[in-house]
Amino acid sequence: DVKVTQSSRYLVKRTGEKVFLECVQDMDHENMFWYRQDPGLGLRLIYFSYDVKMKEKGDIPEGYSVSREKKERFSLILESASTNQTSMYLCASSQTGGGTDTQYFGPGTRLTVL
Amino acid sequence: GENVEQHPSTLSVQEGDSAVIKCTYSDSASNYFPWYKQELGKRPQLIIDIRSNVGEKKDQRIAVTLNKTAKHFSLHITETQPEDSAVYFCAASIISGAGSYQLTFGKGTKLSVIP
Repeated sequence: DVKVTQSSRYLVKRTGEKVFLECVQDMDHENMFWYRQDPGLGLRLIYFSYDVKMKEKGDIPEGYSVSREKKERFSLILESASTNQTSMYLCASSQTGGGTDTQYFGPGTRLTVL
Repeated sequence: GENVEQHPSTLSVQEGDSAVIKCTYSDSASNYFPWYKQELGKRPQLIIDIRSNVGEKKDQRIAVTLNKTAKHFSLHITETQPEDSAVYFCAASIISGAGSYQLTFGKGTKLSVIP
């Protein structure tokens, strides 16, 4: 079974703090993704990566950055957290090729910025 | 870029009835359409997907239909059960020979099955 884990289930930070969210997958997937999930807005893509050290902006990259130094790990960074970044953050990974694009999600991190 | 619209946003059905959720997409190049189910407090999980070279796919009580001309696809759940209660997301993507990278998701439908 594919396993995607995230470093924290719940996180509370203060405005202006630097926040790191980590995601690890154990299936040697090339692709990794960060989404935020807000009620009524669905899943919105923040950033994705299709290879080590590669990154692409998604639909809402403002205020975020990412790092992928190792294939299995993809980090989301909030340089200076703001209250409007309070949300559920979901990481996902997928394999390239093989005729499928199934994304496997982590359990999510609920971030609250005070 | 791709835009996926999903309707309705909420849906309540009696146990045993059918439920239908509809999505439209904007990019005619999209060729892969998965559906994800997210139970309360859990992660989204793929339940069924369809490619643009077929019009319908079934898996037990769930089925997905695709109309490429109209650029819409639908999820059908028959004989609904309480455990079908969840938020359902449709998505669209372009799969190339090298694999696609990103899915564009609809905003979700909260399905409630009333016992």
